Amino acid sequence: DTGVSQDPRHKITKRGQNVTFRCDPISEHNRLYWYRQTLGQGPEFLTYFQNEAQLEKSRLLSDRFSAERPKGSFSTLEIQRTEQGDSAMYLCASRSAREDNEQFFGPGTRLTVL
Amino acid sequence: AQSVSQHNHHVILSEAASLELGCNYSYGGTVNLFWYVQYPGQHLQLLLKYFSGDPLVKGIKGFEAEFIKSKFSFNLRKPSVQWSDTAEYFCAAYSGGYQKVTFGTGTKLQVIP
Repeated sequence: DTGVSQDPRHKITKRGQNVTFRCDPISEHNRLYWYRQTLGQGPEFLTYFQNEAQLEKSRLLSDRFSAERPKGSFSTLEIQRTEQGDSAMYLCASRSAREDNEQFFGPGTRLTVL
Repeated sequence: AQSVSQHNHHVILSEAASLELGCNYSYGGTVNLFWYVQYPGQHLQLLLKYFSGDPLVKGIKGFEAEFIKSKFSFNLRKPSVQWSDTAEYFCAAYSGGYQKVTFGTGTKLQVIP
């Protein structure tokens, strides 16, 4: 499978714990995006990387959230001191440098904070 | 603020009925538009996209959308739906730098055999 992959697919954690999600984009894609989706809503933009540089962050991304893409390939999204309100589907997408290309989405990581 | 609105939250149709899902955006200047579909248990997939040129865009599986700049709309259409079209449909847009794509809240389509 040469699409976007995300790991884990599901994560259940207790409030206050830290969690980390991984995204592996399509190999030739240099742009990578993180979104959050809650029930009944569309995906909400969290952050964007071009190669290893994090170029934009949403105000939704509180200080407890951090994302990295150290070598310009895979990316991680960490949530520290999780809260029940963090429960959501976390989506990763990637795209190539061509401006008229769309984003390709991964299957998402569903986070449940108890 | 930039936004995308989908006014139909849940649509139920019989097979062979025609479909039109509304999408309105509020962006200044040049806008680029997408429709994504999410089938049950699957990830988001692109149906079609508009960047420039012919405002009538044809996508996969017989879907099309028309960009009407004066109405700030990008409605999705299909002349005859099938049971396999049961899914959630999302309209999305961005303007300017391609950093942030804004999605609508989605429309759940249920097609009854």
